[in-house]
Order: sequence, then structure tokens, then C-alpha cells
Amino acid sequence: GQQLNQSPQSMFIQEGEDVSMNCTSSSIFNTWLWYKQEPGEGPVLLIALYKAGELTSNGRLTAQFGITRKDSFLNISASIPSDVGIYFCAGQERPMDSNYQLIWGAGTKLIIKP
Amino acid sequence: NAGVTQTPKFRVLKTGQSMTLLCAQDMNHEYMYWYRQDPGMGLRLIHYSVGEGTTAKGEVPDGYNVSRLKKQNFLLGLESAAPSQTSVYFCASSQQISGNTIYFGEGSWLTVV
Repeated sequence: GQQLNQSPQSMFIQEGEDVSMNCTSSSIFNTWLWYKQEPGEGPVLLIALYKAGELTSNGRLTAQFGITRKDSFLNISASIPSDVGIYFCAGQERPMDSNYQLIWGAGTKLIIKP
Repeated sequence: NAGVTQTPKFRVLKTGQSMTLLCAQDMNHEYMYWYRQDPGMGLRLIHYSVGEGTTAKGEVPDGYNVSRLKKQNFLLGLESAAPSQTSVYFCASSQQISGNTIYFGEGSWLTVV
């Protein structure tokens, strides 16, 4: 099945640094979602995007729906230790009210160096 | 504040054994899903249900069966476990069939030896 190309696979950063990650697809998406998963837990939704070009923030997190509708970006500003986890992008090709499948990226593991 | 609850959390099976994972949600959601998560693969949909008494195949349904006899429960069965089914399994539910309302359980770690 189709998967999203999510990069980077992992990031080792210093506390206080900004973080950027992205997802690309070979097909056009109508919805882009960003989730965070902490150890021993299921993914939790961070940001949902529904329109090309849309830029949405959730605290220090900002995500954008690419204008080609084939990519999305997540930025975290001034990282803190609790940002550690795996970040997943997910996309949906069809409108929300149709038969659907969310397609997931492989995740970006964020590690913050002490 | 239960949300989505999965049992068991950990299980070790021998090849060929059968088992059932139970998922329960207390949010009165219509839609329920079973995913598996493998390193470097993200989440892959196994089966899903759009309502009580209905089930449908997802991306990787082979080797699994599901049942939704009650709205709040979604069972995932492995009839004859194989080592390739070693994975972390996540149940999820949503009121609408859209990603922004999907809630995940904490996961079930299954090892098949």
C-alpha cells in the first residue's frame, strides 16, 4: 500500500533548538494530520490541516499544508525535553466524508541531547 | 477518563496459537479501527468497522479476523499466530470517519515465537 515519505527518520538536537520535519506523497491529499507518540502510548493528534497553503499553530508547533497538496511540514520552535517522542504525519486522499483510509508516514524520532 | 482501552497489554504466543485482542471504547463512537505498528513502517490499518455488526478490510488484513458485536467493543483475532505478526497493535475509535477525531488506545505488544 501507499506510504508517505517522512523525513528525517530521527533527529538529535539540543534543547532550545528549532525542529523541522516533512512528509511528501506521490498523490494529492485533501487532509494532512500530525500526531505525536510517546513511549508506551498511542499517537495523539497535534494539528489537522484541510486546505492547501493552510498554516496552523498549536503552541510552539506550526504545521503547513503544502500548496501542491503533496506535502506537509511540521516545525517545533525552542524545543524542550517533553518534545521527545515520535512524530507521525498522516494523510487522507479523499474528502473526509467518503470511504477513507489514513495513510501514515514512518515517523520522525526526536531526541533531545541534555 | 478511560477513552480507548486495550487488553492485554503484553502477550507472548507460540507459532500456531490463537488469541484475541479486546478493544473497548466508552465514547459512543461509531467507527473503530485496528492498526499494527512496526519499526520503520508507521501505522498500517488491519481492519475497521463503521458501526455495530459491520467490519471491513484495511491495508493488511491477512491472518486476522475481527468482530463488532457491540458498539463499544472491537475484537481482533489471530487464528494461527505467525512470527510475522509480532508487532504493536493499536485500537482506535472515532465519531466521524475522519482523522481529526481519532483516539488511540495505549497499544498491545504481541510477540510470536
